[in-house]
Amino acid sequence: RKEVEQDPGPFNVPEGATVAFNCTYSNSASQSFFWYRQDCRKEPKLLMSVYSSGNEDGRFTAQLNRASQYISLLIRDSKLSDSATYLCVVNSGDMRFGAGTRLTVKP
Amino acid sequence: EAGVVQSPRYKIIEKKQPVAFWCNPISGHNTLYWYLQNLGQGPELLIRYENEEAVDDSQLPKDRFSAERLKGVDSTLKIQPAELGDSAVYLCASSLVEGREQYFGPGTRLTVT
Repeated sequence: RKEVEQDPGPFNVPEGATVAFNCTYSNSASQSFFWYRQDCRKEPKLLMSVYSSGNEDGRFTAQLNRASQYISLLIRDSKLSDSATYLCVVNSGDMRFGAGTRLTVKP
Repeated sequence: EAGVVQSPRYKIIEKKQPVAFWCNPISGHNTLYWYLQNLGQGPELLIRYENEEAVDDSQLPKDRFSAERLKGVDSTLKIQPAELGDSAVYLCASSLVEGREQYFGPGTRLTVT
């Protein structure tokens, strides 16, 4: 079993839709969690950190469920510019990346 | 403030040749990471430095890969000799301290023919 698992997608949604991604991790001692976005042939860019209490940044909401060992990312009112691959990152002594979930937002 | 700088951006070499990648992290960032990313996969950690000390190199194929971070700032990753399977994007990232947000450079796209 991989340490960090994500649904690879692709998720194809219309503009304005709400979409949610989940990411599960295997190490219960994991300490910090992040979501990154990666555009085609570009480097990953930090989207947001994930805090225990959950956190929101505009249209993006991240949540952590330690008991079930997953984190989630919710995107509301999707824009065309949200099309990218979303990477889940879990720090359990070293940074482990998921394989990414690909999102395409269509007009 | 300048981001993470990497060079070269692209490199094409024949198998069995050596190749080196260079990374300059964000000023003041003590932790530096080298990752390898294959198409359709997330980045995989090769080595992590805390200042000039390599604290996690368990995933670095030491028979052909080497890295250094002299004076705890710039870092170089070397492959010698390169194999066809080494074709990938090599990403450098830095963070203020281990476990905090990482910032990535643009990567070096290596093609081994």
